[in-house]
Amino acid sequence: AQSVAQPEDQVNVAEGNPLTVKCTYSVSGNPYLFWYVQYPNRGLQFLLKYITGDNLVKGSYGFEAEFNKSQTSFHLKKPSALVSDSALYFCAVRDKTSGTYKYIFGTGTRLKVLA
Amino acid sequence: NAGVTQTPKFRVLKTGQSMTLLCAQDMNHEYMYWYRQDPGMGLRLIHYSVGEGTTAKGEVPDGYNVSRLKKQNFLLGLESAAPSQTSVYFCASSSSDSGDEKLFFGSGTQLSVL
Repeated sequence: AQSVAQPEDQVNVAEGNPLTVKCTYSVSGNPYLFWYVQYPNRGLQFLLKYITGDNLVKGSYGFEAEFNKSQTSFHLKKPSALVSDSALYFCAVRDKTSGTYKYIFGTGTRLKVLA
Repeated sequence: NAGVTQTPKFRVLKTGQSMTLLCAQDMNHEYMYWYRQDPGMGLRLIHYSVGEGTTAKGEVPDGYNVSRLKKQNFLLGLESAAPSQTSVYFCASSSSDSGDEKLFFGSGTQLSVL
C-alpha cells in the first residue's frame, strides 16, 4: 500500500532564511512524487513533481525538492523564504509500477514565514 | 478555461438527508478523483475513476457512492448523511498521458451535516 508521512504539523521560519518541509513515502514499486500548496479557502495548486531522472527537481515560486531513494524522502526546499510562502503544503505519492492511479496525500505541513 | 468546477460550494444537511456533489472538468482528462479534507487528517481519497463508466474505491469509501456517466463529470453521492461526513470535499482530475502526471483541483465544497 502507498503512504506518505509529513512528520511536522507546522514549520516556522524567518523571512529570508532557507526552509525545508519534510516528506517520506512508502510504495511497493517506484514512485511518482508531488508537492502541492493550499492557500486559505482555496483548492490545492501543483508545485513540482519527481517522475524520473535528476533527483533535484525545480518547481513554481522558487521551490525545489530532492528525491532520495535510499531514505525514501522527498523534502521540499527553498533557499530564501517569503512571507507570501505561508500556506499549507502537501506531499503526495503515486505508485507508478503497480498499475494504480491513486494519488495518496500526507497530512500536510503548515508553513509560517515570519517577517 | 474553467478547469475543474465543483458545485455547490457550500451545503448544510440534516442527518439522514441525501445529496450529490457535482464535479465537472473541461480538460478532457481521463482520471478523476474525490477527496475529503479534515483537520489533522490531510486529504483522503474517497473514490476515483480512470475513465467513463469506471469507478474504484479509495481509502475512505464507506458512506459514499460515485458515478462517471460522462467523461467530463464525476458525481459524489451521500445517500444518508452522517455528522462524520462534515468535511471539505475536493474533486481533482488528471491526464492519462505519460509525463503529464499532475492533479488539477477544484475549489472545494464545504459540507456540514447537523
